[in-house]
Amino acid sequence: DAKTTQPPSMDCAEGRAANLPCNHSTISGNEYVYWYRQIHSQGPQYIIHGLKNNETNEMASLIITEDRKSSTLILPHATLRDTAVYYCIVTSGAGSYQLTFGKGTKLSVIP
Amino acid sequence: SAVISQKPSRDICQRGTSLTIQCQVDSQVTMMFWYRQQPGQSLTLIATANQGSEATYESGFVIDKFPISRPNLTFSTLTVSNLSPEDSSIYLCSARVTGTQYFGPGTRLLVL
Repeated sequence: DAKTTQPPSMDCAEGRAANLPCNHSTISGNEYVYWYRQIHSQGPQYIIHGLKNNETNEMASLIITEDRKSSTLILPHATLRDTAVYYCIVTSGAGSYQLTFGKGTKLSVIP
Repeated sequence: SAVISQKPSRDICQRGTSLTIQCQVDSQVTMMFWYRQQPGQSLTLIATANQGSEATYESGFVIDKFPISRPNLTFSTLTVSNLSPEDSSIYLCSARVTGTQYFGPGTRLLVL
């Protein structure tokens, strides 16, 4: 599976959009981009995933660049409860279906 | 989606003993996974547990230390054997449902 690079930490003002970037320059054609978050002391929570088209659900939007080498997770109106570590994971979704967690981005939503 | 529960939620154990963690999924799933999260670290996959076959362990994890059972399509157990303080971690169960992995709340283990 392709490796991802995320900034270690970010701040966002409450009520503003949080834009979390992820680089995955070695992604291959059959690999998906998954986003999870882990609020302190809880299990990771699935947020969204995509292959090449932009995706939106009730939690967030995922914007994938045309060359698929990077993506951005957007939380449209961040709240204090969105403070968490956000993980961007690239996986083929086939074979062992493993998720390899990196260090993620620690998002702090500030009042 | 899937709702995954784990028991116990936390435990304190003495070194040399064992702890068995139970994981229950609210739907039938083929693939279940066990992860470890050491203090301040990210998640590391211990093993993949498919119903009807032996668990597949990742490098650095062995069956004698982390035996896994998968008796049916909704349940799995992970035992952490011969505990040492280095085993103090959060242990997380995960299941794959319609292409997406969902996680349980974790079991926080402290070994004294």
